[in-house]
Amino acid sequence: AQRVTQPEKLLSVFKGAPVELKCNYSYSGSPELFWYVQYSRQRLQLLLRHISRESIKGFTADLNKGETSFHLKKPFAQEEDSAMYYCALSGGNFNKFYFGSGTKLNVKP
Amino acid sequence: DVKVTQSSRYLVKRTGEKVFLECVQDMDHENMFWYRQDPGLGLRLIYFSYDVKMKEKGDIPEGYSVSREKKERFSLILESASTNQTSMYLCASSSTGAPSSYEQYFGPGTRLTVT
Repeated sequence: AQRVTQPEKLLSVFKGAPVELKCNYSYSGSPELFWYVQYSRQRLQLLLRHISRESIKGFTADLNKGETSFHLKKPFAQEEDSAMYYCALSGGNFNKFYFGSGTKLNVKP
Repeated sequence: DVKVTQSSRYLVKRTGEKVFLECVQDMDHENMFWYRQDPGLGLRLIYFSYDVKMKEKGDIPEGYSVSREKKERFSLILESASTNQTSMYLCASSSTGAPSSYEQYFGPGTRLTVT
């Protein structure tokens, strides 16, 4: 069965510290992996997708098929990175998504 | 710029009432989705639709129904609202096609409180 696991509900770091938000998945085929972000009082929006291999706002994520992981990383956290982050998997028909339970990132000054 | 709008930001209803949540997208997307968002549970798919008049159950369809009479509009219906349906409801849409179009675009959400 398809499943996305984000083990941390809350992650607190100081400004300038590295941050890693963990995401593990299970899927029988070849999934597309995404990170979505929701800033306070804003709608959920795409942060990055693994097929693009891009860095957005300093964040990167590498798909590790061996470990079935897609961790989100940033070397130096900023206060404006404080938000709710969701890992998501897309696969199968109709672009159906499976979301993790989310990790709230709190970057302290 | 894709825009997904939802009819209400906040809604308060009484137990047993019939509730309609409306979602409209302006990008001619084939797929539309309804999720509920709860702390610690993330987003859970209620129903989705891949074409007009077509619908598929998601992971938690019980107590809900949907309607898609026009391509741009997808309605979520709570036939008889209950307190355990108090939640944030998110609508999303996406296109069908190449991997680059797999992104789902979300509305601002409707916070429903059932008393």
